[in-house]
Amino acid sequence: QVQLKESGPGLVKPSETLSLTCTVSGGSISRTDYHWGWIRRPPGKGLEWIGSIIYSGSTYYNPSLRGRVTVSVDTSNSQFSLTLTSVTAADTAVYYCARTNSEWYWGQGTLVTVSS
Amino acid sequence: QTVVTQEPSFSVSPGGTVTLTCGLSSGSVSTTYYPSWYQQIPGRAPRTLIYNTNTRSSGVPDRFSASILGNKAALTITGAQADDESDYFCLLYMGSGISVFGGGTKLTVL
Repeated sequence: QVQLKESGPGLVKPSETLSLTCTVSGGSISRTDYHWGWIRRPPGKGLEWIGSIIYSGSTYYNPSLRGRVTVSVDTSNSQFSLTLTSVTAADTAVYYCARTNSEWYWGQGTLVTVSS
Repeated sequence: QTVVTQEPSFSVSPGGTVTLTCGLSSGSVSTTYYPSWYQQIPGRAPRTLIYNTNTRSSGVPDRFSASILGNKAALTITGAQADDESDYFCLLYMGSGISVFGGGTKLTVL
């Protein structure tokens, strides 16, 4: 059974860069039929799909975040990462990493607060 | 940009049946959008209930079912229980690797 776990700073200052890593265990990150993605839920709001990557390196991003978001994969460490630049308070959310090839498997989530 | 629509809130009596829907601001939902459904209790990670329109995830009781109803995707809960009280989200695949969540439905069981 695949397990995913998010890690990274819980507090980021406005205008700085948010960086999170998802560590995958119990399954290969190199499978070509999987998408590895990031989703977030801001307080009081709904879920938002941020973006995803496949093993080949092809990436797909939410148009509303394009230009600020990058998702990358590190197969040697079974990890994939999220980078979000120029953050504001609106980026405060619980961030989830997940895997899908039609059915999503979720990490437990990590809260990131943007505040000075 | 296309918006995925859900009822903001819904109420069901214990033991009752409720159908939540997932639509598009423009156009109809079909199986080509691979609709999926998620349950999220506040403070916990989302739980996948349904994927590929109507396939239940492992461990999901069969009182959760899903289908295409008219021009929307639909999630039906039969025999609602108190612990079904939660937020429910649908997700549609828009093509070109892009997915969009609906705004979510807050379900109350009372």
